[in-house]
Amino acid sequence: AQSVTQLDSHVSVSEGTPVLLRCNYSSSYSPSLFWYVQHPNKGLQLLLKYTSAATLVKGINGFEAEFKKSETSFHLTKPSAHMSDAAEYFCVVSESHISGGYNKLIFGAGTRLAVHP
Amino acid sequence: EAGVVQSPRYKIIEKKQPVAFWCNPISGHNTLYWYRQNLGQGPELLIRYENEEAVDDSQLPKDRFSAERLKGVDSTLKIQPAELGDSAVYLCASSPFPGLAGGPVEQFFGPGTRLTVL
Repeated sequence: AQSVTQLDSHVSVSEGTPVLLRCNYSSSYSPSLFWYVQHPNKGLQLLLKYTSAATLVKGINGFEAEFKKSETSFHLTKPSAHMSDAAEYFCVVSESHISGGYNKLIFGAGTRLAVHP
Repeated sequence: EAGVVQSPRYKIIEKKQPVAFWCNPISGHNTLYWYRQNLGQGPELLIRYENEEAVDDSQLPKDRFSAERLKGVDSTLKIQPAELGDSAVYLCASSPFPGLAGGPVEQFFGPGTRLTVL
């Protein structure tokens, strides 16, 4: 069974400093991994996804994540935080099925990112 | 392009009352999902539709929850009767047909309906 653990429920950074949101996963199969962002009163938006191609994945708004199989981690980073990055971030694992494109998403509990001026 | 539309955005009801949520997916998306997001947690899948067929409803509490997707487009999720523990955000998502290449396709989420049961 797949599962995902987000190691920090809250992260607080100053504007212009690096962001690190940590995620560990568990999967019996070759996993696909995602990061979604949820701004208040808005729908979840896909930041980036890993699907067994390059281990360093670049996403929108300057975010990137590195898949490390040996550490079963998929941490999200950004070199310089912006005020608009304040939101809830979800690490997500899914099972890659051989047939069809359906992937059941298993969400972590989320990390709330606060950005201070 | 319009995103996933949900209504109402907020709903407050007393326990034992019925409630219904509506979702209009992105045009052309054949797969529709309903999720429940409890406070401080990530979303959990309730039901998945492929066109008008419910292909995964294993997590739907069938004693009080029901869903339908007539004509394979809009969908309605109903709770009857509602309980205090049903207070949550109910999210609808949709995704396009994966095509022959397979692999995971992106799910597009609506803003959700925040339900409060008093």
